[in-house]
Amino acid sequence: AQSVSQHNHHVILSEAASLELGCNYSYGGTVNLFWYVQYPGQHLQLLLKYFSGDPLVKGIKGFEAEFIKSKFSFNLRKPSVQWSDTAEYFCAVTTGGSYIPTFGRGTSLIVHP
Amino acid sequence: KAGVTQTPRYLIKTRGQQVTLSCSPISGHRSVSWYQQTPGQGLQFLFEYFSETQRNKGNFPGRFSGRQFSNSRSEMNVSTLELGDSALYLCASSNAQAGETQYFGPGTRLLVL
Repeated sequence: AQSVSQHNHHVILSEAASLELGCNYSYGGTVNLFWYVQYPGQHLQLLLKYFSGDPLVKGIKGFEAEFIKSKFSFNLRKPSVQWSDTAEYFCAVTTGGSYIPTFGRGTSLIVHP
Repeated sequence: KAGVTQTPRYLIKTRGQQVTLSCSPISGHRSVSWYQQTPGQGLQFLFEYFSETQRNKGNFPGRFSGRQFSNSRSEMNVSTLELGDSALYLCASSNAQAGETQYFGPGTRLLVL
């Protein structure tokens, strides 16, 4: 069965700092990759996803992620974080023809002014 | 389109009781998935229903069960509640296609005393 690892469980940054959250998955076949975000008190929502094509994916609010197949990674990046980026971030993967994602344990990001 | 709705939003129960949670998917979505979210474990997949049939199941005991109605609304039941069942229970709906986004509801926060 596939698994997803998020290496950073808690990240604290100052505003304007750069962000990179790690995500690795274990599955050797075709994958679709997702980053979801859960802002305080809000629904879990899609930030960006990789389905096929350009491995550099751009999402909402200035976030991007790069799919590196050889490293089984899909790291999330943002060049300059804002206080409003404080949230929990989840990496997820679907494999083969499945549409049920396996989620990582999440990374809690706190951005202080 | 209206989003995924879940009722109730908050629930307090005592050990040994049972509970039923409800989820209404986005109109047109036939797949409804349930997840348990806890701080230590992240999102763990419970089960998924499609056209009134359970198509996928996670590694949870038989105390956790569900069903789906002809209008795609779904219910989840937990019998003989344990303290460890305290969690945020999330429902998600989708078009059930590979690579499709899961759309999440606000969740039901269950506290077992």
